[in-house]
Amino acid sequence: SQQGEEDPQALSIQEGENATMNCSYKTSINNLQWYRQNSGRGLVHLILIRSNEREKHSGRLRVTLDTSKKSSSLLITASRAADTASYFCATKTGGFKTIFGAGTRLFVKA
Amino acid sequence: NAGVTQTPKFQVLKTGQSMTLQCAQDMNHEYMSWYRQDPGMGLRLIHYSVGAGITDQGEVPNGYNVSRSTTEDFPLRLLSAAPSQTSVYFCASNTAGDRGYTFGSGTRLTVV
Repeated sequence: SQQGEEDPQALSIQEGENATMNCSYKTSINNLQWYRQNSGRGLVHLILIRSNEREKHSGRLRVTLDTSKKSSSLLITASRAADTASYFCATKTGGFKTIFGAGTRLFVKA
Repeated sequence: NAGVTQTPKFQVLKTGQSMTLQCAQDMNHEYMSWYRQDPGMGLRLIHYSVGAGITDQGEVPNGYNVSRSTTEDFPLRLLSAAPSQTSVYFCASNTAGDRGYTFGSGTRLTVV
């Protein structure tokens, strides 16, 4: 079974609105990462948050991590049509394995 | 700096055939992994390597072999292709520490 599960599975918003995606996981982690995948392309790393961090920012991205609830959220502020993509969380557990969730498909309407 | 290069980009196999998916990185990354992505699902880890000569199984290793003779290359071998192996395969590499993966552009494999 997969470590991470994103919620919602799909999200449709208007340009300029904020988009929030959630990720829940099952076991203790070393870090949690978020990736973007444009249709038919490889994944691109967006941001990484360590297990001892609670919040991290990068440009229009804000990631939070709650290890007590085993959950994370990715907020994209002032979304643009170019943000349309699938977003995946990935968790690195003890050892080397990095396990991905099923992803959230984001559609930003211009 | 090419990053992670996967070949071929597309491949059609007949059931029972074998083939090797190539992956090469030029960033001197210690860690390399193979994932498969199926519609509506995330990426599932097939095999991974933490350095030359060291490999281990991921979530779905059956039907696949890997080897890591050099830091740069991490080929994935399908021993006897089955329709269930129809998927998009991604190779990714990383270095030590808290860093994200660099992904290749993928190989779309169809087994008929």
